[in-house]
Amino acid sequence: GAVVSQHPSWVICKSGTSVKIECRSLDFQATTMFWYRQFPKQSLMLMATSNEGSKATYEQGVEKDKFLINHASLTLSTLTVTSAHPEDSSFYICSASGQGATGELFFGEGSRLTVL
Amino acid sequence: GNSVTQMEGPVTLSEEAFLTINCTYTATGYPSLFWYVQYPGEGLQLLLKATKADDKGSNKGFEATYRKETTSFHLEKGSVQVSDSAVYFCALRRSSNTGKLIFGQGTTLQVKP
Repeated sequence: GAVVSQHPSWVICKSGTSVKIECRSLDFQATTMFWYRQFPKQSLMLMATSNEGSKATYEQGVEKDKFLINHASLTLSTLTVTSAHPEDSSFYICSASGQGATGELFFGEGSRLTVL
Repeated sequence: GNSVTQMEGPVTLSEEAFLTINCTYTATGYPSLFWYVQYPGEGLQLLLKATKADDKGSNKGFEATYRKETTSFHLEKGSVQVSDSAVYFCALRRSSNTGKLIFGQGTTLQVKP
């Protein structure tokens, strides 16, 4: 099946620094990618939808200046957590669709961010 | 609004026991329904899906039937294995929007030998 890879799988950073997480579709072109955040023992919360070559659409309550999303190519989307704080510590998961916004979704393995 | 509610876990079963994980949803229109599984240390994987009422999704011995009258999509397996231990997420996707998935809170299944 289709493969989506995230990097890094885990990262620890100091408060105030920025962290970039990459999401790559390895064997298909992803026209649409979704970024989720998962809190411990809770469900996935959709943060934003990104379409290649256009600005991301953020869900209500998600700060777009805090969580910068770039979908510059059909195989790569990046999520940058700017000026990270301990409350940003979480598990971030991306998913990608190769058939537009309503195609089957494939998920990355997730990236665990810990902000000290 | 749209939402998904799952039974709280963890669910602990012995090997070969029967599994049911309840899932109910609230949605306008006719959503597609999904079960995803997340094994320890891995990303979510699609387990099964159903796109219209009365459809039955099945995979790896798991089944779920799309019940519109009860707005439910309960996950069942007749005989669980230790390797089925994971977190299971029920989700819906509205057919008319941008394809966003709305997840339930997840149910942890622990199967003991």
